[in-house]
Amino acid sequence: EVHLVESGGGLVQPGGSLRLSCAASGFTFESYSLNWVRQAPGKGLEWISYISATSSTIYHADSVKGRFTISRDNAKNSLYLQMSSLRAEDTAVYYCAREGQLGLFDFWGQGALVTVSS
Amino acid sequence: DIQLTQSPSSLSASVGDRVTLTCQASQDIRNFLNWYQQRPGKAPRLLIYGASTLQTGVPSGFSGGGSGTNFTLTITSLQPEDVATYYCQHYDNVPITFGPGTKVDIK
Repeated sequence: EVHLVESGGGLVQPGGSLRLSCAASGFTFESYSLNWVRQAPGKGLEWISYISATSSTIYHADSVKGRFTISRDNAKNSLYLQMSSLRAEDTAVYYCAREGQLGLFDFWGQGALVTVSS
Repeated sequence: DIQLTQSPSSLSASVGDRVTLTCQASQDIRNFLNWYQQRPGKAPRLLIYGASTLQTGVPSGFSGGGSGTNFTLTITSLQPEDVATYYCQHYDNVPITFGPGTKVDIK
């Protein structure tokens, strides 16, 4: 059974940094692209980052470009999101999502809450 | 960026009703459109991909249609467990974007 479990969320001050992790199990991790999608409180879904299976292709949304970095360690079955220069508007639940086929997110984690506040 | 609009923003219907949600893209996205269900407090769940293909394990009461710029998600007979927000999402290019969602309630 596919499992994705996010960790590393919490309260951080504006301008601070945080690293999210997503531990994967139940599938051949190195064969799949992965994404981060976030959801601000009471709001809709926002795609923010993509990484291909071999890390050869990476995309970030304009809203986080230059501040967030997606990475993965296929030996550890783990996905990461390094977030820096955090702003209040980055407050959200952050989900990792497996990309089963091009552009479709077939499995999601339970989410990690990041709160940016002084 | 491709913009997706969804209508209505919310609806309330009776158990057993047929419900149709719409999603409109700002430009032609062929059939590169997925639908997700998000129940309160839960992660999203893939329902439909490629505009009309039902994801494994999703009840047959859900169906999707459309191509180009206009798409629909239909629930044939609304059930209490269908109370959720439904999002469309395109994958024609980067950035991937989601629609604002349609919240479905039971009357």
